[in-house]
Amino acid sequence: DAKTTQPTSMDCAEGRAANLPCNHSTISGNEYVYWYRQIHSQGPQYIIHGLKNNETNEMASLIITEDRKSSTLILPHATLRDTAVYYCIVRAGTYKYIFGTGTRLKVLA
Amino acid sequence: EAQVTQNPRYLITVTGKKLTVTCSQNMNHEYMSWYRQDPGLGLRQIYYSMNVEVTDKGDVPEGYKVSRKEKRNFPLILESPSPNQTSLYFCASSITLGTGETQYFGPGTRLLVL
Repeated sequence: DAKTTQPTSMDCAEGRAANLPCNHSTISGNEYVYWYRQIHSQGPQYIIHGLKNNETNEMASLIITEDRKSSTLILPHATLRDTAVYYCIVRAGTYKYIFGTGTRLKVLA
Repeated sequence: EAQVTQNPRYLITVTGKKLTVTCSQNMNHEYMSWYRQDPGLGLRQIYYSMNVEVTDKGDVPEGYKVSRKEKRNFPLILESPSPNQTSLYFCASSITLGTGETQYFGPGTRLLVL
């Protein structure tokens, strides 16, 4: 599975859009991009995933560049409850998951 | 309610005393997995199971054992715990749907080995 690179931390003002980048320059054609988040020390929570097209659900939007070498998770109107560590994972159906250390997002009041 | 449960949630033990952390899911998922989380190291996969009686090592399997005798249960066994196994442990499960599956995580078990 491809390696991902994320910023260590980011801040975002409450009510504004939070844009979390992820670099996965070695991604291969059949690998999906997944996003999870972890609030405090709770179990991680699935957010969204995609292959090529942009995806949107009730939690977030996922924008994948045309060359698929990077992606951005967008939380359209961040709230204090969105403060968490966000993990970007790239995998192709192998049974191993590599979470990395993620991006610590702090939403500021 | 669909969920993954872990027991115990908190455990303090001493070096060498065998322990088992249980994990159970009620979603009929084929895939289950164990992770540990340590400060600065993120989540690391210990073992995973693709189905009953089928298990394999993750990135950090040393010092751990697992078994999958029933679909719903996936216990993590520490035969002889050591202080470096002090950590926060998570169990997860998912349907195996190829590449689009998502994992559901349990609430975590915080283990301290003295």
